[in-house]
Amino acid sequence: KQEVTQIPAALSVPEGENLVLNCSFTDSAIYNLQWFRQDPGKGLTSLLLIQSSQREQTSGRLNASLDKSSGRSTLYIAASQPGDSATYLCASVAGAQKLVFGQGTRLTINP
Amino acid sequence: EAGVAQSPRYKIIEKRQSVAFWCNPISGHATLYWYQQILGQGPKLLIQFQNNGVVDDSQLPKDRFSAERLKGVDSTLKIQPAKLEDSAVYLCASSLKRGGLAIYNEQFFGPGTRLTVL
Repeated sequence: KQEVTQIPAALSVPEGENLVLNCSFTDSAIYNLQWFRQDPGKGLTSLLLIQSSQREQTSGRLNASLDKSSGRSTLYIAASQPGDSATYLCASVAGAQKLVFGQGTRLTINP
Repeated sequence: EAGVAQSPRYKIIEKRQSVAFWCNPISGHATLYWYQQILGQGPKLLIQFQNNGVVDDSQLPKDRFSAERLKGVDSTLKIQPAKLEDSAVYLCASSLKRGGLAIYNEQFFGPGTRLTVL
């Protein structure tokens, strides 16, 4: 059974810093891994999707990497801004063929 | 392109009452999902439809929850009767189906319905 873990649960950094959010998963035979952003009281916004054959995906200031052998994915945010404050969730599809989510990292960017 | 639509956005009911949620997926998306997100946790899949057929409902509490997608487009999720522990955000998502492998496809989420059971 796939388990997805995100540590830390919360992170606070000054504006302008580069930062990395971590995601680990137990079943390395994943089909894909997806990063989402969730603002308070809102639904999920898809940020990046990495297929199992890929190592990374980039969108603007965001870069997500995937290392299946170690069961890890990272989301790199460059030059953070206050508008980046949100909860970031990672999720993967593995053997059970359903998206399994981590609990999220609540990110606060301080002006 | 319009996103996934859900209604209502908020609902407050007493325990043992019934409630229904509605979802309209992105046009052309064959796969539709309902998730339950309890405060402080990641979403958990309740049920997945491929067109109007159920693909996975293994985590749906079938004694009180039901869902349907009669024409392969809109879907409704019903809870009857509601319990206190059903208080959560109910998220609907949809994805394309390419080559029969829906699991490879990016999922797009609606804004959710926040349910409070008193």
